[in-house]
Amino acid sequence: ETGVTQSPTHLIKTRGQQVTLRCSSQSGHNTVSWYQQALGQGPQFIFQYYREEENGRGNFPPRFSGLQFPNYSSELNVNALELDDSALYLCASSLDRGKTQYFGPGTRLLVL
Amino acid sequence: DQQVKQNSPSLSVQEGRISILNCDYTNSMFDYFLWYKKYPAEGPTFLISISSIKDKNEDGRFTVFLNKSAKHLSLHIVPSQPGDSAVYFCVGRGGQNFVFGPGTRLSVLP
Repeated sequence: ETGVTQSPTHLIKTRGQQVTLRCSSQSGHNTVSWYQQALGQGPQFIFQYYREEENGRGNFPPRFSGLQFPNYSSELNVNALELDDSALYLCASSLDRGKTQYFGPGTRLLVL
Repeated sequence: DQQVKQNSPSLSVQEGRISILNCDYTNSMFDYFLWYKKYPAEGPTFLISISSIKDKNEDGRFTVFLNKSAKHLSLHIVPSQPGDSAVYFCVGRGGQNFVFGPGTRLSVLP
């Protein structure tokens, strides 16, 4: 059974650029959630995808967008990067929007 | 507006003793509460959960207590082991929105 994987592990971008982060869900899981974790804080819910449709969204602006593919892998896109977007981005998968989520190791994004 | 609060940023406990991690919440609509632990350079790992209609759930060394009237829950770890040293997050679920607290760093001293 393959766990949740994320790529890349680290990324450096400059303000105003765009970034795409990728996540492969655990085998058999059809639900993917994305979180942003700033330094010293808990993860904050960005949005969730279930069977390729957005299924819930946290308090993030529209420049944060996502996709889920037929194989249930997912992308998080962030446009017009700001310095405050520097954070650890976590992806979590679950089965049928279940309460138990399995997290990947995260992508650490630094915006300069 | 912090819906989930963990007022102790850190906690140190001797090996073999009980660890008690506390969490307070403000959102009455949470239907489940979960605890996750996180080691450095890894994603959070699910530990234990409790439905909002229960007041206790136990799994091995881990027990979670829920006091709905006080909007308070706690995680008890007995006995504590050095491998339990990690950051612990209290999480409330409302719909498909999982709200994490800021975390408590537990250090179990040998």
